[in-house]
Amino acid sequence: EPEVTQTPSHQVTQMGQEVILRCVPISNHLYFYWYRQILGQKVEFLVSFYNNEISEKSEIFDDQFSVERPDGSNFTLKIRSTKLEDSAMYFCASSFGQSNQPQHFGDGTRLSIL
Amino acid sequence: AQSVTQPDIHITVSEGASLELRCNYSYGATPYLFWYVQSPGQGLQLLLKYFSGDTLVQGIKGFEAEFKRSQSSFNLRKPSVHWSDAAEYFCAGRYSGAGSYQLTFGKGTKLSVIP
Repeated sequence: EPEVTQTPSHQVTQMGQEVILRCVPISNHLYFYWYRQILGQKVEFLVSFYNNEISEKSEIFDDQFSVERPDGSNFTLKIRSTKLEDSAMYFCASSFGQSNQPQHFGDGTRLSIL
Repeated sequence: AQSVTQPDIHITVSEGASLELRCNYSYGATPYLFWYVQSPGQGLQLLLKYFSGDTLVQGIKGFEAEFKRSQSSFNLRKPSVHWSDAAEYFCAGRYSGAGSYQLTFGKGTKLSVIP
């Protein structure tokens, strides 16, 4: 069964550094998402992306965050200047459509900010 | 505001016993609802989904869930739990209209299974 893959599985970064989290969505999917889960808290929506544009974002997704689909297969989340509170598990998801199609998630990248 | 609530943080059941995990939602209109499972070190795997129609939905791994509009609930059930079902279970909802497709998650229920 096709799946969403995320790399790396664990990223350790110094505070203030830039980090890029990578995702390969399911190949025929058109809609892409990032969520995060801070330890002990709920999974929270960050952003959705379609047709090379952000279609929806939460208030968490401020100017330090950006997303990109640099080629036909990858979908990336960049955090420009990391803060301690960015430490979390980041999940990428994709769906074929939006209306009545479920989102399929990757295994996540654990981001640790030192 | 849209919300999904899972009242139970941790549930322990014996292997072979039945299971029901609770989920309540608060949306202006009937939402789309989902159950995901997360095993340790793994991602979120979709167990089942409800969009419309039959209120009893079947999922993978022998799970089912029932949508009850009158109770704003979407509880997950399994008649006989296996040790491999030990994991964290997340209920999630989404607005069923156009314009917003973000999932709102509950806090999760951790399931422990004792032999």
